Amino acid sequence: RKEVEQDPGPFNVPEGATVAFNCTYSNSASQSFFWYRQDCRKEPKLLMSVYSSGNEDGRFTAQLNRASQYISLLIRDSKLSDSATYLCVGNNAGNMLTFGGGTRLMVKP
Amino acid sequence: EAGVVQSPRYKIIEKKQPVAFWCNPISGHNTLYWYRQNLGQGPELLIRYENEEAVDDSQLPKDRFSAERLKGVDSTLKIQPAELGDSAVYLCASRPGTGVNSPLHFGNGTRLTVT
Repeated sequence: RKEVEQDPGPFNVPEGATVAFNCTYSNSASQSFFWYRQDCRKEPKLLMSVYSSGNEDGRFTAQLNRASQYISLLIRDSKLSDSATYLCVGNNAGNMLTFGGGTRLMVKP
Repeated sequence: EAGVVQSPRYKIIEKKQPVAFWCNPISGHNTLYWYRQNLGQGPELLIRYENEEAVDDSQLPKDRFSAERLKGVDSTLKIQPAELGDSAVYLCASRPGTGVNSPLHFGNGTRLTVT
């Protein structure tokens, strides 16, 4: 089993829709988490960090559920420009940053 | 602030040839990572440096891959000899320290094609 797992998708949603992705992790020692966005043929870029209490940045909300060992990303009012691959990352106590395989989102007009 | 710089951007070589990638991290970032990303997959760690020390190279195929980070700044990753299966994007990333909440900053990667 991979340490960080994501549904590869693709998630095909219309503009304006709300979409959510989950990411599960197996290492209970993971201390922090991040969501990255990766456009086609580009490098991953930080979208947001994930805090225990949950955090919001505009249309994006990230949540951490330690009991069930998953993190989530919610995107409200989807835009065409949100089309990308979303990567979740877990950081364990040993400073190891492990990526999931990514979830592909396609927002259609 | 200048970002992580990688070169070359693209490299095409024949199998069995050597190849090297270079990375200059963000100034002041002590921790440097090399990842490999295959098409449709997430980045997979090859090696991590804390300053000039390789602290995690368990995923590095040591029979053909080598890396160095002299003086704890720039880093090079080498493959010799390259195999067809090495075709991938090689990403370098850095972060300022060992704080668990500091995110990675990536360079734009080197896309390697082995023919």
